[in-house]
Amino acid sequence: DGGITQSPKYLFRKEGQNVTLSCEQNLNHDAMYWYRQDPGQGLRLIYYSQIVNDFQKGDIAEGYSVSREKKESFPLTVTSAQKNPTAFYLCASSPTRARGQPQHFGDGTRLSIL
Amino acid sequence: GQQLNQSPQSMFIQEGEDVSMNCTSSSIFNTWLWYKQDPGEGPVLLIALYKAGELTSNGRLTAQFGITRKDSFLNISASIPSDVGIYFCAGRVRTDKLIFGTGTRLQVFP
Repeated sequence: DGGITQSPKYLFRKEGQNVTLSCEQNLNHDAMYWYRQDPGQGLRLIYYSQIVNDFQKGDIAEGYSVSREKKESFPLTVTSAQKNPTAFYLCASSPTRARGQPQHFGDGTRLSIL
Repeated sequence: GQQLNQSPQSMFIQEGEDVSMNCTSSSIFNTWLWYKQDPGEGPVLLIALYKAGELTSNGRLTAQFGITRKDSFLNISASIPSDVGIYFCAGRVRTDKLIFGTGTRLQVFP
């Protein structure tokens, strides 16, 4: 069954700790994205990647880092520099970033501070 | 940055009623997308619109790409309990970045 898998579903972070959220897709999509969702707000773009070994900052990249070593995988690290990390994190992918290609989402990871 | 105004923010309706929601922007978009999100899950694509004036249906859902290219509408006919959730619009500009609305929370009462 093709899709986007995010893990874990729930994650807790201690002060000063880095944590990594996993995103894997078997849709053979070129482009992948990370969004942050806060209550009552729309999705805000953190990072995106068009192809392997390439990624670009989105609107709120500070305190986050990513890698794209494989087409299927786009992990997001929430670093200790992110002072307000509690949020719902969504990974998405699309065939390309070309016009008209809608993004499809995983089921999210909820990150909380301990 | 660019913003999408989505309204209403929330709706409480009775089962069987029709629902309308819309998004407006100060910018021209070349694509409009409508998503539905259930609690604790990721958004699911409902309808994609690519041309000004386009009207597209998906079952009881109908969405339109406004002729000014600055707005879009989503209608749900004869609502049922499983329509409950948050509906998001998203617009794509020339840079191919998606801008999301703040969502419309729909509650359906039997």
